[in-house]
Amino acid sequence: AQKVTQAQTEISVVEKEDVTLDCVYETRDTTYYLFWYKQPPSGELVFLIRRNSFDEQNEISGRYSWNFQKSTSSFNFTITASQVVDSAVYFCAWGIQGAQKLVFGQGTRLTINP
Amino acid sequence: GAVVSQHPSWVICKSGTSVKIECRSLDFQATTMFWYRQFPKQSLMLMATSNEGSKATYEQGVEKDKFLINHASLTLSTLTVTSAHPEDSSFYICSAALGQGSNNSPLHFGNGTRLTVT
Repeated sequence: AQKVTQAQTEISVVEKEDVTLDCVYETRDTTYYLFWYKQPPSGELVFLIRRNSFDEQNEISGRYSWNFQKSTSSFNFTITASQVVDSAVYFCAWGIQGAQKLVFGQGTRLTINP
Repeated sequence: GAVVSQHPSWVICKSGTSVKIECRSLDFQATTMFWYRQFPKQSLMLMATSNEGSKATYEQGVEKDKFLINHASLTLSTLTVTSAHPEDSSFYICSAALGQGSNNSPLHFGNGTRLTVT
């Protein structure tokens, strides 16, 4: 069965520090999608990135970057120069082809202290 | 702007009553929508897949008679929590894909509904 593990339950850093959120997944499917979502205190899920299993290129978007490594089944997320507004719960998720039905990790609560 | 609208944002109801939550796709048709539940400080767990014009598909352990899903149109799915009990208190969130089977569009989530049963 598919499984997504976010081993870090909570992370707390001081503003401007870099922080990496880990995500490890398990699947036997050869075609799949990986996601990261941000959930601020208000509760909504904010889409951050989607990556398909055939694209191992790392991606950078502003202060955010993602490192996808199939060899270790990991899809880690790094925030550079963190800001207080980055404080939220971050979820890593896995989806099958079509990427409509997701399996979520347990989430990592990130707190950025001023 | 939001592409999936969920209503209400929060609701408080008495034990034994039923509550209906709406999930609408805005400006696109969603033949399939998904309902998730999130207990406090926990992850999102898929409850059921809502299929337009047919019966919903429920995940193991989810009572279909308690969580009624109706997907009567291509833009609206409803989740009714029947005879709600305090243990049903949770955050319910729906999602819809921009086009069935699309490989280019991420899932869009509603803003969620916080249900409190007293």
